Amino acid sequence: GAVVSQHPSRVICKSGTSVKIECRSLDFQATTMFWYRQFPKQSLMLMATSNEGSKATYEQGVEKDKFLINHASLTLSTLTVTSAHPEDSSFYICSSLAGGTDTQYFGPGTRLTVL
Amino acid sequence: AQSVTQPDIHITVSEGASLELRCNYSYGATPYLFWYVQSPGQGLQLLLKYFSGDTLVQGIKGFEAEFKRSQSSFNLRKPSVHWSDAAEYFCAVVGDNAGNMLTFGGGTRLMVKP
Repeated sequence: GAVVSQHPSRVICKSGTSVKIECRSLDFQATTMFWYRQFPKQSLMLMATSNEGSKATYEQGVEKDKFLINHASLTLSTLTVTSAHPEDSSFYICSSLAGGTDTQYFGPGTRLTVL
Repeated sequence: AQSVTQPDIHITVSEGASLELRCNYSYGATPYLFWYVQSPGQGLQLLLKYFSGDTLVQGIKGFEAEFKRSQSSFNLRKPSVHWSDAAEYFCAVVGDNAGNMLTFGGGTRLMVKP
């Protein structure tokens, strides 16, 4: 149980384009999902917290207009990197929190490379 | 606010040797504590967690961790390391702030010598 998937696993795009990353909880309903980014050889940095049916809460320094988060259902959250630039290249990881639990289960991550 | 420190950035052990990865946290009350493992290019897998009760918790893959309140520590141990244990290990804490937000330590990269 507690499986979280992400799609795509890798994406390469041109500067200025937008990229959408999907995060799905496959066998449980996730009331809350989190989005992290991880630079090489560094720890995870929380970008935003999203609750189903409401607006995401962004961490300080994270541009909400650049990183659009939609949590339209209890099993799906999406992160759209708009007008991507090379400095947005990173490893993006989502996690899901099942209702009534205190444990986050992580997706396998998405490697974004912006040329 | 809570914080987590993993003092060792890199650790190298021989296969079959014992392992201890250190984790210290800063938090006023008893936090929820987690250890995750990350293989290269992969997401994080939960090894074990401590919420309350017995301070020695058993996890997957033969790992265990001990919560020591007096030392504000939650060190991860394994009696005999396998080559497949080579990975990045993250300690994390959840405080009583809203939203179950994890605060991660900087990670410890484990290398295993044959």
